[in-house]
Amino acid sequence: GAVVSQHPSRVICKSGTSVKIECRSLDFQATTMFWYRQFPKQSLMLMATSNEGSKATYEQGVEKDKFLINHASLTLSTLTVTSAHPEDSSFYICSAHRGGEETQYFGPGTRLLVL
Amino acid sequence: EDQVTQSPEALRLQEGESSSLNCSYTVSGLRGLFWYRQDPGKGPEFLFTLYSAGEEKEKERLKATLTKKESFLHITAPKPEDSATYLCAVQGGGATNKLIFGTGTLLAVQP
Repeated sequence: GAVVSQHPSRVICKSGTSVKIECRSLDFQATTMFWYRQFPKQSLMLMATSNEGSKATYEQGVEKDKFLINHASLTLSTLTVTSAHPEDSSFYICSAHRGGEETQYFGPGTRLLVL
Repeated sequence: EDQVTQSPEALRLQEGESSSLNCSYTVSGLRGLFWYRQDPGKGPEFLFTLYSAGEEKEKERLKATLTKKESFLHITAPKPEDSATYLCAVQGGGATNKLIFGTGTLLAVQP
C-alpha cells in the first residue's frame, strides 16, 4: 500500500504558458500533501503543504501566485506553474501523508522543462 | 533551528563490502526520523521510520539505527543494485508535518 502517482512524468512547455501537475494517492486517503522541487544533485526543497479543502501553506520565498496549489479531494492535489519561465525548469515531486502515520510517501516526480 | 547533516557525501564500495551511512540531526522534539532511497530521475522510495533512541529496523541488506543525536544506515554485503542516493529526514515537534532533509549520500557499489 501507500502508492502515490504523478502526471505527467515529463513536460516541455514554452515560456509564458501554464502547466498543471497532478498528484494522486492511489490506495489511501491523504490528509496532507506536500510539493517539493529538486535541482540537479541537490536535496528536496519543500515548496508548500496542502490540506484537503483548505488553502496551501507556502514556504518562505515561494510565490503563491506563481505556484497555485489545489487540494480538491483526499486523493488529489494539483500544482499549477503559471506563466512559466526557464528558471522554473526543475524536478517537481509530491508526497502524501496518510492519516495516523508520520511517514510521507513520494510520487515518481515530474520533470518540467520551460523553453 | 532543525538541521540534518549526512556523511559522507559520496561513498564507493566494492560488492560485498559492508559500510555505514551517517545522519546527524538537531531537532526540537523528534517525531520521526526517515530514510529514503532515491534513484536518478525518480522520487524518493520509503525505507524506514524510526521514532525513538535505541530503535532498529531491518530490510534485506539494510539496517537503520537511531540514537538521540544520529542515525546510521548499515549496508551489509551490498550489491550493485543498492547504488542510489540515500536521504535522511527528520520531523520535529512543531504543528506542521514538515520534513527536514539532509543532502544525501550517493552510494556506488561496484561489481
